[in-house]
Amino acid sequence: GEDVEQSLFLSVREGDSSVINCTYTDSSSTYLYWYKQEPGAGLQLLTYIFSNMDMKQDQRLTVLLNKKDKHLSLRIADTQTGDSAIYFCAESGGGGADGLTFGKGTHLIIQP
Amino acid sequence: GAVVSQHPSWVICKSGTSVKIECRSLDFQATTMFWYRQFPKQSLMLMATSNEGSKATYEQGVEKDKFLINHASLTLSTLTVTSAHPEDSSFYICSARSVSKANEQFFGPGTRLTVL
Repeated sequence: GEDVEQSLFLSVREGDSSVINCTYTDSSSTYLYWYKQEPGAGLQLLTYIFSNMDMKQDQRLTVLLNKKDKHLSLRIADTQTGDSAIYFCAESGGGGADGLTFGKGTHLIIQP
Repeated sequence: GAVVSQHPSWVICKSGTSVKIECRSLDFQATTMFWYRQFPKQSLMLMATSNEGSKATYEQGVEKDKFLINHASLTLSTLTVTSAHPEDSSFYICSARSVSKANEQFFGPGTRLTVL
């Protein structure tokens, strides 16, 4: 079945860039997503990328997709304390019409 | 825009009782809603896909008689956990897919269920 893998923790200093990586196995994935979850809260859609793109930028966020290696990354520029959260990578094989397959989430820790 | 609400936000119940959780899309119409569960420090696992006016499609290993889903309108889906047991304690999260933005799913804030 489909599988999405992420490292569990990432620690960065405030002001630095954070890069969260994700790998997936489903070659038919059409959309790949990044969600943010703060403690005790639901998921907030940060950004998504269509599988025929290799990069998408939205303000401080940059998503890079290497479809050949099935590797997705999220770069957060100028990381702030408010960015501290769990970041989930997810993929959809049905053009967004299907339920999503999530990674376990990467806990981003900001050091002052 | 694209706000999804869930009610209740948390519930504690006795073993054997049934619990209903509502998921509403507040400012858009959702032909499809999804139900996920999240165990502590785990990822979200898709339980079922709910389409307005038709029967829900359940993922493998999810008992449809235990987790009853009703999608009565374009803005409301309900999940009823029947005869709940302690192992059903979890964080239940719904998402809704907008008719106009078919490739985006918007998530509710989740419902924390604790079964004693």
